[in-house]
Amino acid sequence: EVQLVESGGGLVQPGGSLRLSCAASGFTFSNYAMSWVRQAPGKGLECVSGISGSGGTTNYAASVKGRFTISRDNSKNTLYLQMNSLRAEDTAVYYCAKDTVLQGVIPVIFDYWGQGTLVTVSS
Amino acid sequence: DVQMTQSPSSLSASVGDRVTITCQASQDITYYLNWYQQKPGKAPKLLIYDASNLDTGVPSRFSGSGSGTDFTFTISSLQPEDIATYYCQQYDNLPPGTFGQGTKVEIK
Repeated sequence: EVQLVESGGGLVQPGGSLRLSCAASGFTFSNYAMSWVRQAPGKGLECVSGISGSGGTTNYAASVKGRFTISRDNSKNTLYLQMNSLRAEDTAVYYCAKDTVLQGVIPVIFDYWGQGTLVTVSS
Repeated sequence: DVQMTQSPSSLSASVGDRVTITCQASQDITYYLNWYQQKPGKAPKLLIYDASNLDTGVPSRFSGSGSGTDFTFTISSLQPEDIATYYCQQYDNLPPGTFGQGTKVEIK
């Protein structure tokens, strides 16, 4: 059974940093691209960042480029999102999501999602 | 960036009704369009990928169609468990894969 479990969310002040983790199990982690998708309170979904199975290709939404860094450790079956220079508008539930395409380079179709971790940016 | 316009933003229908949601892309995205269902407090769930393909285990009352810029999502007979918000998502123009603003479906 595929499982994705996010952790690392919490309350942080504007300008602060946070690192999110997503522990994956139930599939060959290195074979699939992964993404972080966020949802601000009461709002819709936004793709934040994606990474290929090898970790060699990454992409970012314009709203987070230069502030967020996606990475993965395939030996630990874990996806990460390092978030720096956080702003109030980054407040959201952050989901990790698995791509459905075997050996896909950029995640495009999300067939499994974690339960999400809440990040609150406030003073 | 490709903009996705979903309509309506909300709807109310009776059990057994046919429900239709549309999603319009700001440019041609061929068939690179997915539909997700999100129940309150839960993560989204993939229902349809590549405009018209039902994901594994998804009930056949859900369907999708369209190509280019205009897409349709249909529930042929609304059930109480279908109460949720539905999102379209394009992945022709990356990054990122943009979502529509969502359609909240309620029971009348």
